[in-house]
Amino acid sequence: ETGVTQSPTHLIKTRGQQVTLRCSSQSGHNTVSWYQQALGQGPQFIFQYYREEENGRGNFPPRFSGLQFPNYSSELNVNALELDDSALYLCASSPGPHGELFFGEGSRLTVL
Amino acid sequence: GDSVTQMEGPVTLSEEAFLTINCTYTATGYPSLFWYVQYPGEGLQLLLKATKADDKGSNKGFEATYRKETTSFHLEKGSVQVSDSAVYFCALSDSGTASKLTFGTGTRLQVTL
Repeated sequence: ETGVTQSPTHLIKTRGQQVTLRCSSQSGHNTVSWYQQALGQGPQFIFQYYREEENGRGNFPPRFSGLQFPNYSSELNVNALELDDSALYLCASSPGPHGELFFGEGSRLTVL
Repeated sequence: GDSVTQMEGPVTLSEEAFLTINCTYTATGYPSLFWYVQYPGEGLQLLLKATKADDKGSNKGFEATYRKETTSFHLEKGSVQVSDSAVYFCALSDSGTASKLTFGTGTRLQVTL
């Protein structure tokens, strides 16, 4: 059984640029949630996708957007990057919108 | 809004010592409570959970009891091992879901021989 995989593992962007992060969900899971973990902080919920629709959103501005594809993989897009967007971005899949989360290892974004 | 407060780390213990990591929460309603662990180089993993007051979650020798009267969910282990060295996160969710979580800031545990 393949777990949750994320790409890229590390990337560096400059302020104002746009970034796309990718996540492949675990086999059998139809729900993907995204979290932002700043250095020294706990993860913060960004949003969840269930059956290709956004199903709940945390306190993040609209420049954070996402997609879920028919195979349940997902993308997180961040536009107009700011320095404070530097963080570890975690993807988690689950067997339904209320199920246990299975996390990937994350994508570390540095904004200069 | 909902929030979780954890004791600050790092916590450094000798092998076989007793572990307590404190966690208190603020929430409306009746949240579910979780402990997640992040081993070096790995993703977050669910360690244990409790969904209602007085429930005790347990796994791998770790335990935590949902205390509604003190709004706490302290993590304990009677005898830690070097392999328990990791970052531990306390988290809560609105009742009925395990997937939209509010996390604490994490507590790093270092166990030495």
